[in-house]
Amino acid sequence: EIVLTQSPGTLSLSPGERATLSCRATQSISRNYLAWYQQKPGQAPRLLIYGASSRATGIPDRFSGSGSGTDFTLTISRLEPEDFAVYYCQQYGSSPEVTFGPGTKVDVK
Amino acid sequence: EVELVESGGGLVQPGGSLRLSCAASGFTFSNYWMYWVRQTPGKGLEWVSRINRDGSTTTYADSVTGRFTVSRDNAENTLFLQMNSLRAEDTAVYYCTRGGDSGSSDYWGQGTLVTVSS
Repeated sequence: EIVLTQSPGTLSLSPGERATLSCRATQSISRNYLAWYQQKPGQAPRLLIYGASSRATGIPDRFSGSGSGTDFTLTISRLEPEDFAVYYCQQYGSSPEVTFGPGTKVDVK
Repeated sequence: EVELVESGGGLVQPGGSLRLSCAASGFTFSNYWMYWVRQTPGKGLEWVSRINRDGSTTTYADSVTGRFTVSRDNAENTLFLQMNSLRAEDTAVYYCTRGGDSGSSDYWGQGTLVTVSS
């Protein structure tokens, strides 16, 4: 099973700042099948990025994904108030196993 | 607008059964793989099962294999999860999701809470 580690566990930033979130896998992720989700309290996760770098429908371009193999990054170029949330990475390249990372919480400094 | 609405959660005793449903609308249900994902405070997000477009292929996480069964009714645009031999560790919010790019989940329902406790 591919295990995903996310860092940092919590990221404390101010609106307007840049956020850089990391997701590392224990094995190379086939075809860069890596997704990022955002979850706010009391809500379901929302897909932000799929295929490591493709933005999902309706996602603002301040969100970007990069990386390959075992190391992936989600970048939020300028934090908006609505971006403070928990972010999860997910790998789906090792079918049938699909695994999620433990999450990174982005909170207000 | 894509909408997924889960139902059927509740409190059940260990060893009991529940059947979750997910009503889909706003897209051609039969064109998409569908998944169940659950979330607990302790273990975070966990993929549970998937089913292909016509229901002929199903896959399960090791933790639920032999106890859970996923199925779908394309005529009624509904996804199901039959959960048997429930354990305390199955307590979670269960989400129905639509299969996106080769395995991501591009739309999620609001979730239904399953609590397994005596």
